[in-house]
Amino acid sequence: DTGVSQDPRHKITKRGQNVTFRCDPISEHNRLYWYRQTLGQGPEFLTYFQNEAQLEKSRLLSDRFSAERPKGSFSTLEIQRTEQGDSAMYLCASSFPGQGNTEAFFGQGTRLTVV
Amino acid sequence: RKEVEQDPGPFNVPEGATVAFNCTYSNSASQSFFWYRQDCRKEPKLLMSVYSSGNEDGRFTAQLNRASQYISLLIRDSKLSDSATYLCVVKKGGSYIPTFGRGTSLIVHP
Repeated sequence: DTGVSQDPRHKITKRGQNVTFRCDPISEHNRLYWYRQTLGQGPEFLTYFQNEAQLEKSRLLSDRFSAERPKGSFSTLEIQRTEQGDSAMYLCASSFPGQGNTEAFFGQGTRLTVV
Repeated sequence: RKEVEQDPGPFNVPEGATVAFNCTYSNSASQSFFWYRQDCRKEPKLLMSVYSSGNEDGRFTAQLNRASQYISLLIRDSKLSDSATYLCVVKKGGSYIPTFGRGTSLIVHP
């Protein structure tokens, strides 16, 4: 399968615990995005990487959230001291370098439930 | 005001009907526009890009109105399999960040 891969698909954690999610983008894609989606809402932008550089972060990304893409390939998103409000689907997407109408391809997401 | 606004619906239509969704965007510097489709509990997938001259793909037609800052999606001869959420996506000029609307839910019934 050469699509965007996310792991794990589901995560249940207790409030206050730390969690880490992984995203493997399509191999030739240098742009990588993290989004969060809750029920009835569209994906909300969290952060964007071009190669290994984190170029943009949303105000939604509090200091409990951190993302890395150390070698410009896979990326991780860590949430520290999880809260119930963090329960959501975390989506990763990647896109090919280019101008204009370049499509973002999404992984199947990691569904986080904080209990 | 949200950057991308959509009527969440649901739009409930019979098979064979024609249905249209609009999406408005607030930033006049927006340059790239897309419609994505998202099935229940699945990831979003590109349905079509929206070009300035409008474009058509089978039963689907997308149009852009820059003056009024909206894009539209028209679905003709609706099928049961068209039932999904349709997400409007906008990128500002010079930005690589796709911004999503909340989506419009379509339910096609027999």
